[in-house]
Amino acid sequence: NAGVTQTPKFQVLKTGQSMTLQCAQDMNHNSMYWYRQDPGMGLRLIYYSASEGTTDKGEVPNGYNVSRLNKREFSLRLESAAPSQTSVYFCASTLDPGQGLSYTFGSGTRLTVV
Amino acid sequence: AQSVAQPEDQVNVAEGNPLTVKCTYSVSGNPYLFWYVQYPNRGLQFLLKYITGDNLVKGSYGFEAEFNKSQTSFHMKKPSAIVSDSALYFCAVRDRYSSASKIIFGSGTRLSIRP
Repeated sequence: NAGVTQTPKFQVLKTGQSMTLQCAQDMNHNSMYWYRQDPGMGLRLIYYSASEGTTDKGEVPNGYNVSRLNKREFSLRLESAAPSQTSVYFCASTLDPGQGLSYTFGSGTRLTVV
Repeated sequence: AQSVAQPEDQVNVAEGNPLTVKCTYSVSGNPYLFWYVQYPNRGLQFLLKYITGDNLVKGSYGFEAEFNKSQTSFHMKKPSAIVSDSALYFCAVRDRYSSASKIIFGSGTRLSIRP
């Protein structure tokens, strides 16, 4: 099925470990986004990529890095995980945000840092 | 800067009654406005949006929302709630003239429909 695929779905890390969350879309969308969702705080934008080859910081970029590997893939890396990064992470994409087009979301990655 | 507020963390409604989920926004220019729904352990799903034109927009599952520019609001409504409407709802906004290619989400409102 067409859409946004995130891997893994669940992950437990120890403090200080690193990992990369993968996101891929097959809708030929230009823009891709990483959000984190925490109780009572809604979705907060971590990083986004308006188009292939560009990335920009969102509201909460500290402790994260991203790579727009190609038009399809946008990965999120935690270099040294901290308990404060325990959250549910969502990847999203859209064809053209300037035209008011809606986002398509992945099903999320639930990350626990102990 | 753009922002969006959902003043109610939770809304409780009896099945068959009308429901309203509130949203207000702040942008420097004209907005694009969206509503999304999230079911447990799932990603967000698009419900409806306001881009231009008629202030009343209709979306999926019988939901509709009214854009009110003077009150900077985009409240979502449904005439008759059903139990399966129970979910977490997010309002989102983007300044259509912003160079930043992103939308901002509210904190979410949990809708609970009792039988």
